[in-house]
Amino acid sequence: AQSVTQLDSQVPVFEEAPVELRCNYSSSVSVYLFWYVQYPNQGLQLLLKYLSGSTLVKGINGFEAEFNKSQTSFHLRKPSVHISDTAEYFCAVSEPSNFGNEKLTFGTGTRLTIIP
Amino acid sequence: DAGVTQSPTHLIKTRGQQVTLRCSPKSGHDTVSWYQQALGQGPQFIFQYYEEEERQRGNFPDRFSGHQFPNYSSELNVNALLLGDSALYLCASSLVNGKREQYFGPGTRLTVT
Repeated sequence: AQSVTQLDSQVPVFEEAPVELRCNYSSSVSVYLFWYVQYPNQGLQLLLKYLSGSTLVKGINGFEAEFNKSQTSFHLRKPSVHISDTAEYFCAVSEPSNFGNEKLTFGTGTRLTIIP
Repeated sequence: DAGVTQSPTHLIKTRGQQVTLRCSPKSGHDTVSWYQQALGQGPQFIFQYYEEEERQRGNFPDRFSGHQFPNYSSELNVNALLLGDSALYLCASSLVNGKREQYFGPGTRLTVT
């Protein structure tokens, strides 16, 4: 069975400072990895994904993440955050299948708070 | 192009009652997945429908059931509601053999009293 650990439940960061949100996963097989963002009272929006290829993945809103197979990690980074980045961030994993639409297993989330 | 829509937005039910939640997928999508998000937690996979059949199921009791219609829309039914069923229920749509991108709706907030 696969699982996801987001070590930091809350991360406060000053505006225009860099941020890294940590994600580690556990799986006995190869995986697909995702980061989603959830703004207050809204559903989840896909930030970026890793399926294969380059381990550095760029997403929307200036975010990027790096897949590290040996560390089983997929940390999310942004070089300079804005007030509008205040939200809950979820890391998720799925296991590839022939079906092509695999279920997502989510971490417990990291609340990113931007301090003016 | 409308995204994923869900109804109702909020719902209050009493223990033991039954509830039906509805989801319309993003235009062109053929697969619908349902997730339960308890307060302060990440979403948990309930089940997934494709071609009007349940394709995958998470660790949820049989009180949770679903249906997918020919137009790809879907319903989630929960019987014999428990207080612990209070949560945000999220619907996600996707395309089989596509880019592995699930698009989420805004959710239905269910409160069981």
